[in-house]
Amino acid sequence: AQSVTQLGSHVSVSEGALVLLRCNYSSSVPPYLFWYVQYPNQGLQLLLKYTSAATLVKGINGFEAEFKKSETSFHLTKPSAHMSDAAEYFCAVSGYQAGTALIFGKGTTLSVSS
Amino acid sequence: GAVVSQHPSRVICKSGTSVKIECRSLDFQATTMFWYRQFPKQSLMLMATSNEGSKATYEQGVEKDKFLINHASLTLSTLTVTSAHPEDSSFYICSAREGDYQPQHFGDGTRLSIL
Repeated sequence: AQSVTQLGSHVSVSEGALVLLRCNYSSSVPPYLFWYVQYPNQGLQLLLKYTSAATLVKGINGFEAEFKKSETSFHLTKPSAHMSDAAEYFCAVSGYQAGTALIFGKGTTLSVSS
Repeated sequence: GAVVSQHPSRVICKSGTSVKIECRSLDFQATTMFWYRQFPKQSLMLMATSNEGSKATYEQGVEKDKFLINHASLTLSTLTVTSAHPEDSSFYICSAREGDYQPQHFGDGTRLSIL
């Protein structure tokens, strides 16, 4: 079965600091992995996706994530946080069977202070 | 690209009312659409998966007679909350994708408040 675990339900950084949001996955097959961002009272917006091509994936808004098979991780990073990055972030893995929905982690709230 | 439109964005209605929420993929054909419910400060809870032209598959614990899903075309799915009660108040989000293992694209959600 597929699953994702997001370590840390809440991460706080200062503006300009490195952002690191952790995601570990469990999958019996090569996974497809995704990061989404959710702003208050909105749906989810796709930040980036890993689909077995390059292990370092670049996304929108300066975010990137690195797929590490040996660590079963897909951590999200951004070199310099902006106030506008404050939001909820979800890591997700494709369901094992065709037709199944993405499986989401519990989310990490990112706070950015000035 | 890959825009999903969901409306209404907010509904406030009396207990016993039925509420319909629409989800449209604007620039792609969605073979599969998903409906989620999200409680405050929590992750998304999958309610059902619907494929165009076939019956929706509901997750365990979700009442199919309560939450009616119709996926009549490759660009439109609707969720109808029948005889809504205060406990149905929540944030409902739809999602659509073009094919298996593709990203899911999300609508902006519907805040449902039942008085």
